Amino acid sequence: AQRVTQPEKLLSVFKGAPVELKCNYSYSGSPELFWYVQYSRQRLQLLLRHISRESIKGFTADLNKGETSFHLKKPFAQEEDSAMYYCALSGNTDKLIFGTGTRLQVFP
Amino acid sequence: GAGVSQSPSNKVTEKGKDVELRCDPISGHTALYWYRQSLGQGLEFLIYFQGNSAPDKSGLPSDRFSAERTGGSVSTLTIQRTQQEDSAVYLCASSQGGGLGKTQYFGPGTRLLVL
Repeated sequence: AQRVTQPEKLLSVFKGAPVELKCNYSYSGSPELFWYVQYSRQRLQLLLRHISRESIKGFTADLNKGETSFHLKKPFAQEEDSAMYYCALSGNTDKLIFGTGTRLQVFP
Repeated sequence: GAGVSQSPSNKVTEKGKDVELRCDPISGHTALYWYRQSLGQGLEFLIYFQGNSAPDKSGLPSDRFSAERTGGSVSTLTIQRTQQEDSAVYLCASSQGGGLGKTQYFGPGTRLLVL
């Protein structure tokens, strides 16, 4: 079965601290992994996806097939990073399987 | 350009009534998706359209839920005989086409409350 697990409901850090939002997945084939973000009062939007291997707003995520993980990292958190973050998986179909999300709070 | 739009933005209804939720995808996007976001459940896939056909309806929770898409554009999600557990935010997304790796663009959602 396809499943995405985000173990932390809430992650609180101070500005300038490193951030790691955890994501583990379960899928027998070759998945495509995404991170979506929802800022307050805004719609859900794509942050990054593993096939692009890019850094967006200072965030990076590496797909680790051995650990079935796709953790989201940023070395120095900013207040504007406060949002809800969802990890998602696309398997052999086009639908997205989402995790339950992690709320990131960055304090000044 | 215009993004995905949904209407109404909020809907309050009484248990047992039928509701219709509308989604206008980005122009030219052939793929359209419906998801449900409820407390404690995260985001759940409901149904996927490629053009006017729905190759994946696996997420529809019961036969009270149905969706259609006409003209390869607008889609309507209908919930019959609503129940309180149907209360959630219903999100629509569209993408340029099927196939893996196509970015899905989300609408603002319709917040449904069943009393």
